[in-house]
Amino acid sequence: NAGVTQTPKFRVLKTGQSMTLLCAQDMNHEYMYWYRQDPGMGLRLIHYSVGEGTTAKGEVPDGYNVSRLKKQNFLLGLESAAPSQTSVYFCASTDRRVEQPQHFGDGTRLSIL
Amino acid sequence: AQSVTQLDSHVSVSEGTPVLLRCNYSSSYSPSLFWYVQHPNKGLQLLLKYTSAATLVKGINGFEAEFKKSETSFHLTKPSAHMSDAAEYFCVAPLLSGGYNKLIFGAGTRLAVHP
Repeated sequence: NAGVTQTPKFRVLKTGQSMTLLCAQDMNHEYMYWYRQDPGMGLRLIHYSVGEGTTAKGEVPDGYNVSRLKKQNFLLGLESAAPSQTSVYFCASTDRRVEQPQHFGDGTRLSIL
Repeated sequence: AQSVTQLDSHVSVSEGTPVLLRCNYSSSYSPSLFWYVQHPNKGLQLLLKYTSAATLVKGINGFEAEFKKSETSFHLTKPSAHMSDAAEYFCVAPLLSGGYNKLIFGAGTRLAVHP
């Protein structure tokens, strides 16, 4: 049981390039989340999804887009990367019950030059 | 509003000595609460969770936490630290907000374990 898998694990981009981060979960969870983690800032929610075909903005959505075409996958896109988006990105998933914890992937370390 | 406060940003212990990481929460109702651990270059791993079934919660790797409503605390303890426990620890409260399960994170406590 893999849990939550993120690809790629590392990436270096030039300013203005685009890329997509993939998150896959095998726990049949309804809810999925994308966070970014920056030193001294903790984890901040970028976007989330409460089901296949639905997405919503979190705390810091600007510069990112997401899609949830399949229940098990949640994609995070950067259309035109900026140095301010250099961060570690984490995907998480959970079922509907608020008392159930979120399960996190190992992260994608993204550097924008 | 719900909030989570971790009282120490850094804790340093010697191997084999007890660990205490402190967390206080603020809520108008009895919450669910979690402790997560993050090792370097890794994601967050659930250590234990409190969901009102029992006030003393046992987790993985010998950690446990006690929910004390009178003190609004959920401190994490371990009787004997191991070098592999060196990591960052987050106290987290889930909250149903705006139609999704929002997580309220504490600022984190970095645990150092010395030989």
